[in-house]
Amino acid sequence: GQQVMQIPQYQHVQEGEDFTTYCNSSTTLSNIQWYKQRPGGHPVFLIQLVKSGEVKKQKRLTFQFGEAKKNSSLHITATQTTDVGTYFCANTNAGKSTFGDGTTLTVKP
Amino acid sequence: DAGVTQSPTHLIKTRGQQVTLRCSPISGHKSVSWYQQVLGQGPQFIFQYYEKEERGRGNFPDRFSARQFPNYSSELNVNALLLGDSALYLCASSETLASLTEAFFGQGTRLTVV
Repeated sequence: GQQVMQIPQYQHVQEGEDFTTYCNSSTTLSNIQWYKQRPGGHPVFLIQLVKSGEVKKQKRLTFQFGEAKKNSSLHITATQTTDVGTYFCANTNAGKSTFGDGTTLTVKP
Repeated sequence: DAGVTQSPTHLIKTRGQQVTLRCSPISGHKSVSWYQQVLGQGPQFIFQYYEKEERGRGNFPDRFSARQFPNYSSELNVNALLLGDSALYLCASSETLASLTEAFFGQGTRLTVV
């Protein structure tokens, strides 16, 4: 997989505020996966994006793949305490998945 | 259906020792991948096996080895343990090579090297 960089590293929000994490690459990516890892848990697959400009929604979560397929974002609307955790993006190529270092979200009730 | 199962859940070893970690994929899944996750970082790819053959290898020293059995379960072996090998070791399974992008992770084995 290609190297992917995530920003920000940490994000603290008040419950009800929105949250966005970004995933960037210097090269074109064939795909992007997003995972969520709760504290003390394991990564859980959320979604995969493969098409240029693709947008997918899961309830309050919106995932986007950039037109140039070099960046992606995950946006959470009206965060809840259940959203806490670390969100990772990953790229998979020839059987090898390369993960970013994640964005850790904390939500203040 | 059982998810991906890993054993043991926790392990403490001494420098220089050897360790074997085990993984059972989801029933019907033929691909198993291994990752090392150090605190504060994303999972780092170690190996990928499909149909008992190694299909991918990450940038890890030869002290790390793995294999997949006919029932698709897998073992990860680490020899001559170093303090820096302390990490969460994650196993992920996928149904086919084509679906490698949707990986299901086990709970991991927390290895501490002292």
